Amino acid sequence: EPEVTQTPSHQVTQMGQEVILRCVPISNHLYFYWYRQILGQKVEFLVSFYNNEISEKSEIFDDQFSVERPDGSNFTLKIRSTKLEDSAMYFCASSDGAAWDTEAFFGQGTRLTVV
Amino acid sequence: RKEVEQDPGPFNVPEGATVAFNCTYSNSASQSFFWYRQDCRKEPKLLMSVYSSGNEDGRFTAQLNRASQYISLLIRDSKLSDSATYLCVVNAGGGYNKLIFGAGTRLAVHP
Repeated sequence: EPEVTQTPSHQVTQMGQEVILRCVPISNHLYFYWYRQILGQKVEFLVSFYNNEISEKSEIFDDQFSVERPDGSNFTLKIRSTKLEDSAMYFCASSDGAAWDTEAFFGQGTRLTVV
Repeated sequence: RKEVEQDPGPFNVPEGATVAFNCTYSNSASQSFFWYRQDCRKEPKLLMSVYSSGNEDGRFTAQLNRASQYISLLIRDSKLSDSATYLCVVNAGGGYNKLIFGAGTRLAVHP
């Protein structure tokens, strides 16, 4: 069964450093997303991406964050100058459509720990 | 008002019990509704979509009341393996499949 894969599974970084979280969406999907979940809190939408551009972003997704699809398979989330409060689980998701009933498939997540 | 609100639980039930979870949402423009299941420190996984007519998948039944902006999930004959956090999820509408998650209701099924 096709799946969304994320690397690394756990990333520890020093405060102020830049991190890149990587995702390989399901191959025929066209819509890509990043969500995050701070420990003990709800899953929060960060950004959606379609046709090589951001289609929507949340208030959380400020200038510190950027996304890129550098090639035909990877989808990355870059966090510049990480802060302690960026520590969270980051989930990548993809879907083959944007219709209201289209299922989004989630990767297993990258746990980011900022120290 | 929170966009998607759920009772956080935990619900502690014995095997075989029937348990019901409720959820309310604030955006009347929302078009689609889901229940996801999340195991500890894992990704959310789609359990079932929720339709106005109600829908059933084995031991699981979901209901939607658009007028009240209310969603429910009923689990019959609970199994130990049903222990997880159940997330009420609403598509925010406006395209691009942006999902709004509730904080989740934790279920613990014991022998």
